[in-house]
Amino acid sequence: AQRVTQPEKLLSVFKGAPVELKCNYSYSGSPELFWYVQYSRQRLQLLLRHISRESIKGFTADLNKGETSFHLKKPFAQEEDSAMYYCALLSLYGNQGGKLIFGQGTELSVKP
Amino acid sequence: GAVVSQHPSWVICKSGTSVKIECRSLDFQATTMFWYRQFPKQSLMLMATSNEGSKATYEQGVEKDKFLINHASLTLSTLTVTSAHPEDSSFYICSARDLRQGPYSNQPQHFGDGTRLSIL
Repeated sequence: AQRVTQPEKLLSVFKGAPVELKCNYSYSGSPELFWYVQYSRQRLQLLLRHISRESIKGFTADLNKGETSFHLKKPFAQEEDSAMYYCALLSLYGNQGGKLIFGQGTELSVKP
Repeated sequence: GAVVSQHPSWVICKSGTSVKIECRSLDFQATTMFWYRQFPKQSLMLMATSNEGSKATYEQGVEKDKFLINHASLTLSTLTVTSAHPEDSSFYICSARDLRQGPYSNQPQHFGDGTRLSIL
C-alpha cells in the first residue's frame, strides 16, 4: 500500500530552536518525495523535493530508505516558518501516473 | 513561475444547486490537472485526475455523477458539484502539472488558491 504518515499534528517550538518534522512512507519501488508548505491563507507551495537535494529557506530533508523516512529539518526555526507542512509521495502506479499522496500535515508553530 | 488560477474563491449557495469551479493554468500548458478536497486542518484528499481530452479518473469512493470534471483544453479544467448538499461543503483545490518540465519527478504540481464551497 502507498501511504505517507506524518505522526505529529502540531509541533510547537521557540524561535532559534531546531525543528524536525517527521514523515514516513510506504511504497514498493523507488520513492520520490516532496515537502509542501501552506502559509496562512495562501496556496500550497512546493518547498523541496528529495531528488534535488536542495536547501530551501534553511530547510533540508534526506531520504532514508532503510527507515522509509523523509524528515524535514531546520537548525534554527524562525517565526515566519509557522505554517502547515505536508509530506507527499509521488505515485507512479496505474495509468494515472504521477499523482501525489499527501500525509496528514503537521502544523508548525514558532513562538517568539 | 507557473501560476494556477482558481475561480471562484468562495461560493455560498442553496442546497440542490449545481456549482462550477474553474481551474486555469495561466502561463503554462497542463496536460494533467488534479482536484482535491481539504477539510479544516486536514490533509488533501485527491478526488480525481483530469487529463486533457479524455475522461477524468476518479479515486475510489468519489461519485462521478456528483463531481463532474471537464478538461477541454490544456489550460482549463472545471469541476461541477451537481445538486450540492451541505455535506459537500468543503475547500476544493486544483493543481496542474507543467508539461514543459519533463518526467513526473521534474514536474511539481502547482496549486490554485482553492475554492471554499458552503452549501446552506
